[in-house]
Amino acid sequence: GAGVSQTPSNKVTEKGKYVELRCDPISGHTALYWYRQSLGQGPEFLIYFQGTGAADDSGLPNDRFFAVRPEGSVSTLKIQRTERGDSAVYLCASSLTGGRSYEQYFGPGTRLTVT
Amino acid sequence: DQQVKQNSPSLSVQEGRISILNCDYTNSMFDYFLWYKKYPAEGPTFLISISSIKDKNEDGRFTVFLNKSAKHLSLHIVPSQPGDSAVYFCAASQWGDYKLSFGAGTTVTVRA
Repeated sequence: GAGVSQTPSNKVTEKGKYVELRCDPISGHTALYWYRQSLGQGPEFLIYFQGTGAADDSGLPNDRFFAVRPEGSVSTLKIQRTERGDSAVYLCASSLTGGRSYEQYFGPGTRLTVT
Repeated sequence: DQQVKQNSPSLSVQEGRISILNCDYTNSMFDYFLWYKKYPAEGPTFLISISSIKDKNEDGRFTVFLNKSAKHLSLHIVPSQPGDSAVYFCAASQWGDYKLSFGAGTTVTVRA
């Protein structure tokens, strides 16, 4: 079956612009996660959705970052007034439901470059 | 503050030999540990996990060892194969929490 897909695969934007990154989870998965991977680092948690609601957004670095999942499936990560430090690979993962017994399946990521 | 540390950024091993990857953690609340494998341009894929009630878990060529007193875990791959060449991430979580904390990764290269 189809895995987690993310679009676009690459995004180059200018400092100060607004960007949206999309994640399509595996069908039927109710839990969705966003992570950010900076160069030379491991993925860093941003936000976790269970269904439509953000159950944990403690990893969002500041109020320029926002994510939605209005119908409990597709999620969009939104970044306002982008800064060069936002350059990273943004990874999305989904699992059947929340809980550690359920494997998180990752998408290939969106590489964001802020110039 | 990085709570999961992989101090070896790279490892080169000959095909057929054992690969040993190490991981240390600082958060004593972590009680569930995972290893993920990542190929270029792909997302990480789950490899093997271990709960803190165990000190060893084995799955085919992959074995994870956990030393809670030392806050250390390791992944053994025996025998190493060319397809094992990838970046390996150690990750951890604590009870009641769904998010994973990752190490910086170790790049494994298996030489023919």
